[in-house]
Amino acid sequence: NAGVTQTPKFQVLKTGQSMTLQCAQDMNHEYMSWYRQDPGMGLRLIHYSVGAGITDQGEVPNGYNVSRSTTEDFPLRLLSAAPSQTSVYFCASSVSGDTEQFFGPGTRLTVL
Amino acid sequence: AQKITQTQPGMFVQEKEAVTLDCTYDTSDPSYGLFWYKQPSSGEMIFLIYQGSYDQQNATEGRYSLNFQKARKSANLVISASQLGDSAMYFCAMRERQLAGGTSYGKLTFGQGTILTVHP
Repeated sequence: NAGVTQTPKFQVLKTGQSMTLQCAQDMNHEYMSWYRQDPGMGLRLIHYSVGAGITDQGEVPNGYNVSRSTTEDFPLRLLSAAPSQTSVYFCASSVSGDTEQFFGPGTRLTVL
Repeated sequence: AQKITQTQPGMFVQEKEAVTLDCTYDTSDPSYGLFWYKQPSSGEMIFLIYQGSYDQQNATEGRYSLNFQKARKSANLVISASQLGDSAMYFCAMRERQLAGGTSYGKLTFGQGTILTVHP
């Protein structure tokens, strides 16, 4: 049982490039979320999903797209990377809306 | 207005002593939940403890307890008998109900965190 996995662990992009951050969980959780963590700001919700085919925006969705075609996977796409998207990105999953969220190890992204 | 406020950017405690990390919150959702997470220097987020808004008793998990004062909208984390390994960033988070695609979802909002340093 791997829990929540994220790839890559580190990534450097140039402004304007696109990429996809991968997130997968093997706990059969319906709920999955993406957060970004910036210094001094805690974690902020980017997008979330309550099940396959259902996604919604969080607090800071601009510049990011998500889709949820399977229960296991919840990729985050950066369409045209900007330096303001330099951050640590966490994916999380939970059994339900009431239970604790389990976090992946994070992806550290730098946009030059 | 901030939904979750952690007013202590940094806290210091002597090993084996207890420490309280403050958290206040603001919500109009009657059915909310409060979480505490620990983030060591390695970066992972570790769930510590949960308190539901309707829970009558304060939550406890080993050396962690949550001092829940609903009327004051505070949910302070108490760590007893601090250990060197407790040195980390601690986040308070609140779960509020939101509807998405006809399904209720618990959206988490995090505070800015408190860095705890345990001295030997």
